[in-house]
Amino acid sequence: DQQVKQNSPSLSVQEGRISILNCDYTNSMFDYFLWYKKYPAEGPTFLISISSIKDKNEDGRFTVFLNKSAKHLSLHIVPSQPGDSAVYFCAASARYGGSQGNLIFGKGTKLSVKP
Amino acid sequence: GAVVSQHPSWVICKSGTSVKIECRSLDFQATTMFWYRQFPKQSLMLMATSNEGSKATYEQGVEKDKFLINHASLTLSTLTVTSAHPEDSSFYICSARARGPSYNEQFFGPGTRLTVL
Repeated sequence: DQQVKQNSPSLSVQEGRISILNCDYTNSMFDYFLWYKKYPAEGPTFLISISSIKDKNEDGRFTVFLNKSAKHLSLHIVPSQPGDSAVYFCAASARYGGSQGNLIFGKGTKLSVKP
Repeated sequence: GAVVSQHPSWVICKSGTSVKIECRSLDFQATTMFWYRQFPKQSLMLMATSNEGSKATYEQGVEKDKFLINHASLTLSTLTVTSAHPEDSSFYICSARARGPSYNEQFFGPGTRLTVL
């Protein structure tokens, strides 16, 4: 039973355009969400996060939107650059409950930004 | 800041041998360390969580006698794959979490590619 879902395994975008990566979750206890970027044979690197008390968080070219009622979040990258090509993982955690704030990851979306 | 290292970065071993992977937080004290496994085209799967000085908590389906975890200090955790078999070949990644405002943030190591022949 996947609690965090990234339904698009891949996404291809032209350089300069917007990339939109989507993530859905099922556990209403999740109150903190993160996006990680991962290159092949490397560990994930933290990109941006959002708390459930917000609906938007922006950091440079990266913006994360959270729609709690739909249990949906998205990562927008604009403008997209070839160096953004990587696998993006959505992760969620619940501060309270038995999970101790552990991160639950989606399966990832491979973003390819074409020059 | 917040650098996590892993050693070795890759290892090839024969079936039946044991392999130890180290995870270190280089510039902060990690009260909690996590071990993940990633198979090709799959997500990061949490194997176990370890708090310094206490026994690791294993996720369902992960054999604790096969994957031995030691978190002896606030900067070091080790994962030992005992009696490795080809199906244990995978990419193992550790992460570390510090106490404080960034409670929910985990910092990941670069991963260790294990190949069991």
